[in-house]
Amino acid sequence: GAVVSQHPSRVICKSGTSVKIECRSLDFQATTMFWYRQFPKQSLMLMATSNEGSKATYEQGVEKDKFLINHASLTLSTLTVTSAHPEDSSFYICSAPTLRRGSSYNEQFFGPGTRLTVL
Amino acid sequence: AQTVTQSQPEMSVQEAETVTLSCTYDTSESDYYLFWYKQPPSRQMILVIRQEAYKQQNATENRFSVNFQKAAKSFSLKISDSQLGDAAMYFCAYRSAFTGANSKLTFGKGITLSVRP
Repeated sequence: GAVVSQHPSRVICKSGTSVKIECRSLDFQATTMFWYRQFPKQSLMLMATSNEGSKATYEQGVEKDKFLINHASLTLSTLTVTSAHPEDSSFYICSAPTLRRGSSYNEQFFGPGTRLTVL
Repeated sequence: AQTVTQSQPEMSVQEAETVTLSCTYDTSESDYYLFWYKQPPSRQMILVIRQEAYKQQNATENRFSVNFQKAAKSFSLKISDSQLGDAAMYFCAYRSAFTGANSKLTFGKGITLSVRP
């Protein structure tokens, strides 16, 4: 249980186009999801907190108009990179909190990530 | 704001030996959670171990254990009987206990652990 999926796993696009990445909680509902960006050999940088039914909360320095987040349902959040440029090439990871089976603790479960390459 | 510091970028350990990964953090909060996550080459984030700040007893999970020193704000991970599959990037992370179950994680920079056969 507590599986988070991401689609696509890899995407290559041309500069100037927009790319949508989906994050789904497969067996639980998530009112909150988190989006991270990770460069090679570096840490996860939180970009924004996605909230179902309301606007996302963006971290300082993250461009809201460039990284559009929509939390359309309790199981789906999307990140759209608009007018992508080569510097947007990165690994994008989402996570969602829920109770681990048999536990009273709310744990973050991570998606497998999406590798974006902008040519 | 909370910060998490992992000052060692890389470490290496011989298979079957023990290795300790260091982590320090800074916070003004009294209650929080600390974590170690593993990210293997597949890049899937895996929770290794969790420690609740109000618990004095150090958490253990099979070959993994922590040394939690609250006063010193130190949270190190010990891996015993290291295996080749332990080779990965390890991240120390902090989560507040006051901002709700959906509160965000703050990660350290990570450490790359290699295991020599």
